[in-house]
Amino acid sequence: NAGVTQTPKFQVLKTGQSMTLQCAQDMNHNSMYWYRQDPGMGLRLIYYSASEGTTDKGEVPNGYNVSRLNKREFSLRLESAAPSQTSVYFCASSYRTGNQPQHFGDGTRLSIL
Amino acid sequence: AQTVTQSQPEMSVQEAETVTLSCTYDTSESDYYLFWYKQPPSRQMILVIRQEAYKQQNATENRFSVNFQKAAKSFSLKISDSQLGDAAMYFCAYRTGANNLFFGTGTRLTVIP
Repeated sequence: NAGVTQTPKFQVLKTGQSMTLQCAQDMNHNSMYWYRQDPGMGLRLIYYSASEGTTDKGEVPNGYNVSRLNKREFSLRLESAAPSQTSVYFCASSYRTGNQPQHFGDGTRLSIL
Repeated sequence: AQTVTQSQPEMSVQEAETVTLSCTYDTSESDYYLFWYKQPPSRQMILVIRQEAYKQQNATENRFSVNFQKAAKSFSLKISDSQLGDAAMYFCAYRTGANNLFFGTGTRLTVIP
C-alpha cells in the first residue's frame, strides 16, 4: 500500500519562482492536510481540505494556495517563493472523524535561495 | 487558542530501561483527541498511540503507554523496555473535531546501548 505519496522529495528554488507540491492518497480518506515543519518547531498547518470540494486556511496560510483536485489529490502551490518558506512540507490524510489518526507522507524538503 | 507544550527538548534512556516524555496542552474543549507521533531520521511521521479525552482508561500499545490526566491537561508517554529503534523525535498532538492537529515542538529521544 502506497499510503500518502508526495512529490518531489527535494527541491531548490530561487526567490520569486513558483512551484506546486503534489500529494496523493490511496486510502479513500475524506480529509487532507498540508503542514510545514521548521527547526525547533512542531508541524504547523498551512491549509486543509475537510472533504472533496472544500479547502480552509490553517495556522500559516500566507504565501500559499491549495487545490483539492479530487478525493485522492491535494496540491500546494507557492506562487512567488520566499526564503522564509524554506521548510520541510508534509501532506497528511485522514477520515473525517476526530479520533482517526492522520497518515503522513514522507515530506518534501524545499529550499528557497 | 489550543497550545501543546513539550518541556523536554531532549531525553536519553539506557537500552531496556523506561522513559517518560511529558506533554501538556491548553484547551477549553471537553471533547478532543490526543496523539503521540514518532519521527525517526527517515523523516516519516509514525503514529505511536492515541487517546480519546472521554475515555478514562489510559491507552496502551505494546511497550508504549500514556498517563492521561484530563484535569491537569497532561498527556505523557511512557516507553518501557526501550530499544535502539525507539530513538527519534516524539511529537505530542491535539485534535478537536475533524480538523487539524496542533503539535508540540517535540522531544528528541536518544537510546544509549
